[in-house]
Amino acid sequence: GEDVEQSLFLSVREGDSSVINCTYTDSSSTYLYWYKQEPGAGLQLLTYIFSNMDMKQDQRLTVLLNKKDKHLSLRIADTQTGDSAIYFCAEKVNDYKLSFGAGTTVTVRA
Amino acid sequence: DGGITQSPKYLFRKEGQNVTLSCEQNLNHDAMYWYRQDPGQGLRLIYYSQIVNDFQKGDIAEGYSVSREKKESFPLTVTSAQKNPTAFYLCASIPDHGNTEAFFGQGTRLTVV
Repeated sequence: GEDVEQSLFLSVREGDSSVINCTYTDSSSTYLYWYKQEPGAGLQLLTYIFSNMDMKQDQRLTVLLNKKDKHLSLRIADTQTGDSAIYFCAEKVNDYKLSFGAGTTVTVRA
Repeated sequence: DGGITQSPKYLFRKEGQNVTLSCEQNLNHDAMYWYRQDPGQGLRLIYYSQIVNDFQKGDIAEGYSVSREKKESFPLTVTSAQKNPTAFYLCASIPDHGNTEAFFGQGTRLTVV
């Protein structure tokens, strides 16, 4: 089935690392995604990972995938105020469908 | 610039009225989607279209209708049958079946008054 779960809120101090966690249920998912949504805007793709990878790093972003536990995480190093947003985890269900989590609202405090 | 455009950004509707939300893309993408976003519930799929003149219901299609007469356009009509239409609506497109990186519009906030 398709069910992506994430915690709803995360508060982090500026300069610290943020870790956003996600679990998914479809073991056949080939791609997993992280999207960022700023207030009143659409979603922007941050990064993605293919299911045969364990880790992917892209500048301040690190994605970890534990396929056995169906667990995905996004780490943001040196979190800045501009990182305050809602972060969505998504899994590819089939060729044309993505299933999204509820989104984690990240608040960066000074 | 290529992109996906939703209009209007804000929309107010009286109860009992139908309203149509516009979504246009000039990315030459095959597939287009409509999602509804409510606080704490993430994105829920309303309708999607893989090709012109064809579309499928998503998870919450009741009270909505769509058309796909042109590749570039995928308008969504929120009908009076939709019991709780106040929400943020997002349109997205995907290049083809081998690539599911979705490109999103900026959204339309619909409020029923």
